[in-house]
Amino acid sequence: GENVEQHPSTLSVQEGDSAVIKCTYSDSASNYFPWYKQELGKRPQLIIDIRSNVGEKKDQRIAVTLNKTAKHFSLHITETQPEDSAVYFCAASTGAGNMLTFGGGTRLMVKP
Amino acid sequence: GAVVSQHPSWVICKSGTSVKIECRSLDFQATTMFWYRQFPKQSLMLMATSNEGSKATYEQGVEKDKFLINHASLTLSTLTVTSAHPEDSSFYICSAPRPGRAKYNEQFFGPGTRLTVL
Repeated sequence: GENVEQHPSTLSVQEGDSAVIKCTYSDSASNYFPWYKQELGKRPQLIIDIRSNVGEKKDQRIAVTLNKTAKHFSLHITETQPEDSAVYFCAASTGAGNMLTFGGGTRLMVKP
Repeated sequence: GAVVSQHPSWVICKSGTSVKIECRSLDFQATTMFWYRQFPKQSLMLMATSNEGSKATYEQGVEKDKFLINHASLTLSTLTVTSAHPEDSSFYICSAPRPGRAKYNEQFFGPGTRLTVL
């Protein structure tokens, strides 16, 4: 089955700096890669996703890049703000309606 | 966006009792729903895939006789934790993919149920 590795497990940055979280996946059939933000005790919130036919996608301060050959994808957050502090999860899926396999999570702390 | 609800949001029970958690898709029909378990400071781990009108598919290591899943309608899946023990204490989250949209892979998560077994 699919295995998703996520690094780093914790990340501390100064407000205004950029944050990068990286994930690798094992199943070459995976074609959908969402990123979630989860605050303590809450549900995961989709912040950005990318399909395998695209190499990069950007939404304001958030961007995701995908390298299918190397089977890795990354989340980039620019101009970080204290409210970006949360746990971020990457995930991979092989297609419509299929289950998600999550990475281990990254606890991001943005210091004011 | 689509809405998925869960009930209850939290529950405390005694060891040996059973607890039922409901997951509802409020504005779309879900032939498939997923049940995840999340222990503190850990990731979401898929427990089972709930299929409307048929048996659930369980992930390796998840006891199907302990975690009973029923998906009796296109908007409701239930997870029953039978003979709960303290090690079953966790955050249980369901999700459902909404079909027929441009972002058809997107899954919508319920708010989660925090189960504490004393």
